[in-house]
Amino acid sequence: GAVVSQHPSWVICKSGTSVKIECRSLDFQATTMFWYRQFPKQSLMLMATSNEGSKATYEQGVEKDKFLINHASLTLSTLTVTSAHPEDSSFYICSGARGMNTEAFFGQGTRLTVV
Amino acid sequence: KQEVTQIPAALSVPEGENLVLNCSFTDSAIYNLQWFRQDPGKGLTSLLLIQSSQREQTSGRLNASLDKSSGRSTLYIAASQPGDSATYLCACDPPRSGGGADGLTFGKGTHLIIQP
Repeated sequence: GAVVSQHPSWVICKSGTSVKIECRSLDFQATTMFWYRQFPKQSLMLMATSNEGSKATYEQGVEKDKFLINHASLTLSTLTVTSAHPEDSSFYICSGARGMNTEAFFGQGTRLTVV
Repeated sequence: KQEVTQIPAALSVPEGENLVLNCSFTDSAIYNLQWFRQDPGKGLTSLLLIQSSQREQTSGRLNASLDKSSGRSTLYIAASQPGDSATYLCACDPPRSGGGADGLTFGKGTHLIIQP
């Protein structure tokens, strides 16, 4: 099966610092990567969609200058939370899709706590 | 905008019972529908994927049905076990826009506890 590896699984950082989360597709080429976040007792919400080699498309209400997404290769996408604040504390999870007609496969998620 | 609702929000049943989890969605124009399992603090495990042209899918003790016209899907779990305790998520995949896959719209999930 298709495997997506996400690191770190959890991170605690100080307010004002930046945090990078990596998402790797281990056994397939992910032409599209999706980034979601989940606040407590809420559903997973799509933050942005990135296609390899292109700029990410952000959902309404998601600040593109705060959540930097890089998808420079078919096996790696990164999400950088810049100048993190306590309200950014959440569960972030990525998924990769091989193409238009295939399902997406999810990473293990990253629990971010900003103190 | 697609909205996905899952009922009940939480469910606790004794081991061995058969149970049904419900999912409804507002826009019937979906590419497929997936059911996931999420364990506390963990990622998502895909359980079943139903293409828009299909009516149901089965895997072991799990059976998922899809009725696009009424905007409903159900996940049936037979002979429940304590290991089935988790949060079950329903997600709709929108129609392909021509540029590739699109992100999923998730429900809030059903938190399931199977009592030993």
